[in-house]
Amino acid sequence: GAVVSQHPSRVICKSGTSVKIECRSLDFQATTMFWYRQFPKKSLMLMATSNEGSKATYEQGVEKDKFLINHASLTLSTLTVTSAHPEDSSFYICSARETGVGANVLTFGAGSRLTVL
Amino acid sequence: AQSVTQPDIHITVSEGASLELRCNYSYGATPYLFWYVQSPGQGLQLLLKYFSGDTLVQGIKGFEAEFKRSQSSFNLRKPSVHWSDAAEYFCAVAAYSGAGSYQLTFGKGTKLSVIP
Repeated sequence: GAVVSQHPSRVICKSGTSVKIECRSLDFQATTMFWYRQFPKKSLMLMATSNEGSKATYEQGVEKDKFLINHASLTLSTLTVTSAHPEDSSFYICSARETGVGANVLTFGAGSRLTVL
Repeated sequence: AQSVTQPDIHITVSEGASLELRCNYSYGATPYLFWYVQSPGQGLQLLLKYFSGDTLVQGIKGFEAEFKRSQSSFNLRKPSVHWSDAAEYFCAVAAYSGAGSYQLTFGKGTKLSVIP
């Protein structure tokens, strides 16, 4: 089946630094990828929709200058948390939608846990 | 806008007992409905999905769910729970967002604890 790989799975950084998280679709092409954030004991919150070759669409309340999304190819989307602060510590999950038949199902990555000291 | 409600935040069952996790949705059109499971520190795994057809859907790990349009529900069931089923369960509804794209809206999740 479709597999989505996220890297790194865990990252610890100092406040003020930037962190990049990669989301790759391993065996299918994904024109659309989604980035979610999961707060402790909360559901997933959609942050943005990443479209290959165009700008990401951000949900209301998500700072586009802080959470930079790049979807440069059909198999890779990246989320960069710029100038990270402790409040950015969270579990970030990406998902990808297969192009074509069966495109109504999202495949999720295993998530990336960011801890900002 | 679509929404999903999972009324139970935390459920505890004994191993071998039956399980039902509730999910109610709000969506103006025919919904695409999903159940995902998340083990601690892990990503989401799809248990089952409903697009159309038979309203009783079979999934992996012995789970099933029934779509009831009149009740706007999509409850998840398992006849006999195993200790390894302890996890957080999310119900989700997919809404068409244009240009062939769909977005998932998740419920807040139900945490399942299993007593040996």
